[in-house]
Amino acid sequence: DAGVIQSPRHEVTEMGQEVTLRCKPISGHNSLFWYRQTMMRGLELLIYFNNNVPIDDSGMPEDRFSAKMPNASFSTLKIQPSEPRDSAVYFCASSLGQGSNTGELFFGEGSRLTVL
Amino acid sequence: QKEVEQNSGPLSVPEGAIASLNCTYSDRVSQSFFWYRQYSGKSPELIMSIYSNGDKEDGRFTAQLNKASQYVSLLIRDSQPSDSATYLCAVILYSSASKIIFGSGTRLSIRP
Repeated sequence: DAGVIQSPRHEVTEMGQEVTLRCKPISGHNSLFWYRQTMMRGLELLIYFNNNVPIDDSGMPEDRFSAKMPNASFSTLKIQPSEPRDSAVYFCASSLGQGSNTGELFFGEGSRLTVL
Repeated sequence: QKEVEQNSGPLSVPEGAIASLNCTYSDRVSQSFFWYRQYSGKSPELIMSIYSNGDKEDGRFTAQLNKASQYVSLLIRDSQPSDSATYLCAVILYSSASKIIFGSGTRLSIRP
């Protein structure tokens, strides 16, 4: 069974440009999470969805960030406009989301974003 | 106070010894706790979950939970060089929309 698939794996862009990161969760998983990881701040939860509905987006840094999950097999995280401080590794993770098992996350390989 | 706290390390342990990793959390109503391992340049992977007070063993790994003291630990017996990685503690914060929050991680180095 395929794991969580993220694209692109690497993205280098210039400040002010729009960035779109994509994620395909594991089939059958009903919870999807977007995390950002930096050396300074560690692994931060940005937003998570349950059954395609956003449950908590309090971790989204500001209005420049938006996330959607139009169906059970696809999600996007968009940054517009991008800034150098957005440079990080962005991870998507999914889980079965059944009670306490929600914490058993399966991570994608991450998208490394560099904003110049 | 951070929601999930870990000593960042690095923690250096000789091969064959026991490595002990600790984590404290702030949410008293949390019921679910997890340990993830992350190799350099890779994504985190789940190695242990624990939901009840006491010990849970899986091979060389033992997770320990003490809800009264709000701490969870991970013991790695017979440490191997392949155990060198960053270990992340994660907690479901039931008091906050059941978010899954990670600690900053402890970097573990096993020296031959």
